[in-house]
Amino acid sequence: ELKVEQNPLFLSMQEGKNYTIYCNYSTTSDRLYWYRQDPGKSLESLFVLLSNGAVKQEGRLMASLDTKARLSTLHITAAVHDLSATYFCAVDIPGNTPLVFGKGTRLSVIA
Amino acid sequence: KAGVTQTPRYLIKTRGQQVTLSCSPISGHRSVSWYQQTPGQGLQFLFEYFSETQRNKGNFPGRFSGRQFSNSRSEMNVSTLELGDSALYLCASSLGGVADTQYFGPGTRLTVL
Repeated sequence: ELKVEQNPLFLSMQEGKNYTIYCNYSTTSDRLYWYRQDPGKSLESLFVLLSNGAVKQEGRLMASLDTKARLSTLHITAAVHDLSATYFCAVDIPGNTPLVFGKGTRLSVIA
Repeated sequence: KAGVTQTPRYLIKTRGQQVTLSCSPISGHRSVSWYQQTPGQGLQFLFEYFSETQRNKGNFPGRFSGRQFSNSRSEMNVSTLELGDSALYLCASSLGGVADTQYFGPGTRLTVL
């Protein structure tokens, strides 16, 4: 059974600081997704990582995938308040299997 | 292009009742997946439909069922509601191919009293 673990689950960080969210998964996969969810809202797709070593960047967020370590990271650079949200990683394995989500990391950026 | 739409957005029911939720995917998308989101269990997969056929099913009791129509719109039904069914129900659509991004709708907030 595929398990996805994120840490930390809660993160309070100051504006301007850098931090990394980690996503570990239990079964071999080369497909990992990052989503953002604002309070009371739906999930917004951030990144799709489809191969070992994949790196994608959008603004202050950068995601990477190491399939050998079964690890993805979401790095936040110089955080701003607008990044406050819950971030989910999700994994699926070949064969049209459903996405399995991590518990989410609730990020709060404070002045 | 219009996004994924879900109706109704909010719903209050009592135990024992049944409920039907609707999801209209992005035009051209043939796959619709349903998820239940609760504070305790997080996001859990319910089922996926592709071209009117259930392609995957999560670990939920038979009270949860769904279907997909020829225009790719999907409905989800929950019978004999329990308090624990209170949740945000999200549907997501995709083209249906391998590793296609799923785009989520705004969700239906179901409260069971």
